[in-house]
Amino acid sequence: NAGVTQTPKFQVLKTGQSMTLQCAQDMNHNSMYWYRQDPGMGLRLIYYSASEGTTDKGEVPNGYNVSRLNKREFSLRLESAAPSQTSVYFCASSELGGTYEQYFGPGTRLTVT
Amino acid sequence: RKEVEQDPGPFNVPEGATVAFNCTYSNSASQSFFWYRQDCRKEPKLLMSVYSSGNEDGRFTAQLNRASQYISLLIRDSKLSDSATYLCVVNPPNAGKSTFGDGTTLTVKP
Repeated sequence: NAGVTQTPKFQVLKTGQSMTLQCAQDMNHNSMYWYRQDPGMGLRLIYYSASEGTTDKGEVPNGYNVSRLNKREFSLRLESAAPSQTSVYFCASSELGGTYEQYFGPGTRLTVT
Repeated sequence: RKEVEQDPGPFNVPEGATVAFNCTYSNSASQSFFWYRQDCRKEPKLLMSVYSSGNEDGRFTAQLNRASQYISLLIRDSKLSDSATYLCVVNPPNAGKSTFGDGTTLTVKP
């Protein structure tokens, strides 16, 4: 099992460009999450999907959109990147909601210039 | 007040020392609790779950104090490899998501 995979690992964007971060899990988990982590800071939840077909905003959703494509895949889109979105983005999944352990992907390091 | 609060540290301890971290939470109805470990520039990984009766895994002991609304992590006989950031996680009942603390940084020195 690969666990949680994320692509790309690194990305540099110019202000105003758009991109989609991809996340997939092979553990048959129901819930998936997108976090960002700024240097020296904690994780902040952007969006989550408690189950296939549902998505909800987290703590910092502005400037992002998500799609739960199917049970395996959960993508994060930046429509018009800003320097404030420079961060490390982690995708995670869990069996069902917050009660269970979350498994994280290796992260995408995004720089917006 | 933050839902979950941790002392950010850093905690700098010599090898072999015993060190303890606390994490306080505001929602008294919270039902499940975890400690994660995050190495520099890596993804967080589960260290251990925290049960009402407390639990131990080798040199690591986690405890829950519901009355005072905090969880703790005790590391005995610290190793250089224990250097990392430790994140506590608190889950309200029926929540679709978890609440992470900002982490406590530990550096173990020779």
